[in-house]
Amino acid sequence: KAGVTQTPRYLIKTRGQQVTLSCSPISGHRSVSWYQQTPGQGLQFLFEYFSETQRNKGNFPGRFSGRQFSNSRSEMNVSTLELGDSALYLCASSLGRQGSKGGYTFGSGTRLTVV
Amino acid sequence: GDSVTQMEGPVTLSEEAFLTINCTYTATGYPSLFWYVQYPGEGLQLLLKATKADDKGSNKGFEATYRKETTSFHLEKGSVQVSDSAVYFCALSDAGAQKLVFGQGTRLTINP
Repeated sequence: KAGVTQTPRYLIKTRGQQVTLSCSPISGHRSVSWYQQTPGQGLQFLFEYFSETQRNKGNFPGRFSGRQFSNSRSEMNVSTLELGDSALYLCASSLGRQGSKGGYTFGSGTRLTVV
Repeated sequence: GDSVTQMEGPVTLSEEAFLTINCTYTATGYPSLFWYVQYPGEGLQLLLKATKADDKGSNKGFEATYRKETTSFHLEKGSVQVSDSAVYFCALSDAGAQKLVFGQGTRLTINP
């Protein structure tokens, strides 16, 4: 059974550009969440999608957005990149909205570097 | 808001030593508690979980008990191996919020 797949693994962008990251959850999983990991702030919740709807959002500026498709695949977009957006972006999936009980399965992440 | 506090690292031990990584939490409800492990260059792997008070989660020789009275979920292993070297994250999840709140992580290094 394939795990959570995130593409690309590595990305280098210039300040002011925008970027789109992709996440394919485990087959059958309908909930997808995104987290940002940085050395200074640690792991922070970005947003959660379930059935193509954003159900929960973390404390990030509007430059961070996402969406989920009918096949549960999700994308997140960051516009007008800043140096501080350099981070490891992790996607996590769960079967339903019960990740809080059963746990979430994480992908290997996309390492974004903004120069 | 909800928060998780882990013992500061890094932690360095010799192989076969006993491991404890402390974790305490603050939450308004009755969260589920998790330990995740991150190996270099990889994402997070769920190590173990506990969903209610007095539950003990266990996996691969690691254990942690959900202690509501002390709001703690300390990770223990009786005999560590070099392959246990990684960063360990304690986390909680509130059913209402449907998100994980992580501690700052503890880097563990095991020397042969």
